Amino acid sequence: GDSVTQMEGPVTLSEEAFLTINCTYTATGYPSLFWYVQYPGEGLQLLLKATKADDKGSNKGFEATYRKETTSFHLEKGSVQVSDSAVYFCALSGTGGGNKLTFGTGTQLKVEL
Amino acid sequence: DADVTQTPRNRITKTGKRIMLECSQTKGHDRMYWYRQDPGLGLQLIYYSFDVKDINKGEISDGYSVSRQAQAKFSLSLESAIPNQTALYFCATSLGQSYSTDTQYFGPGTRLTVL
Repeated sequence: GDSVTQMEGPVTLSEEAFLTINCTYTATGYPSLFWYVQYPGEGLQLLLKATKADDKGSNKGFEATYRKETTSFHLEKGSVQVSDSAVYFCALSGTGGGNKLTFGTGTQLKVEL
Repeated sequence: DADVTQTPRNRITKTGKRIMLECSQTKGHDRMYWYRQDPGLGLQLIYYSFDVKDINKGEISDGYSVSRQAQAKFSLSLESAIPNQTALYFCATSLGQSYSTDTQYFGPGTRLTVL
């Protein structure tokens, strides 16, 4: 079945540091890929998505490129801020029907001054 | 006002009690979902509904039941709560587009503790 693997956290960075959170997936066909963010005490919000190979999703300075050849969708940001501290979830929506999302386990990011 | 609301936001109950968690949405979406979040496990799908008459089991439906009272309302019930159902529960909605474009919108979550 479909699965998503993302790097374990917590990840602690200084403000303005470069961020990479790795995400790889296993799925049949051509899934859509998502990054969701969960700020403390809140529900998940869609951060960005990509629906086909080589697509780049971007939002709020975050980017991720759908790499079919490496089955990856790594999240990057060039300069993180304290306000980026949150839990980040990689997810996929496969071709199996139902538009069900399969989530990774989440990576907690803490950004310090 | 929030598009997807959940009540209650926090609940503490005892083993064996019946609990209902409620979800309402004003987005006009047909599809609604219930997820459970446990530390280190991400989110797992409990039930999902494509419309009022179409309800489907997810990955971990044992011990749970749902009711889709209207397009806007989707309730999750624990008939006899047990401690390992202590978790954060999220409701989500989506428009029901193709799998490649459908986006799910999440409520703020209900933190349930079963003693």
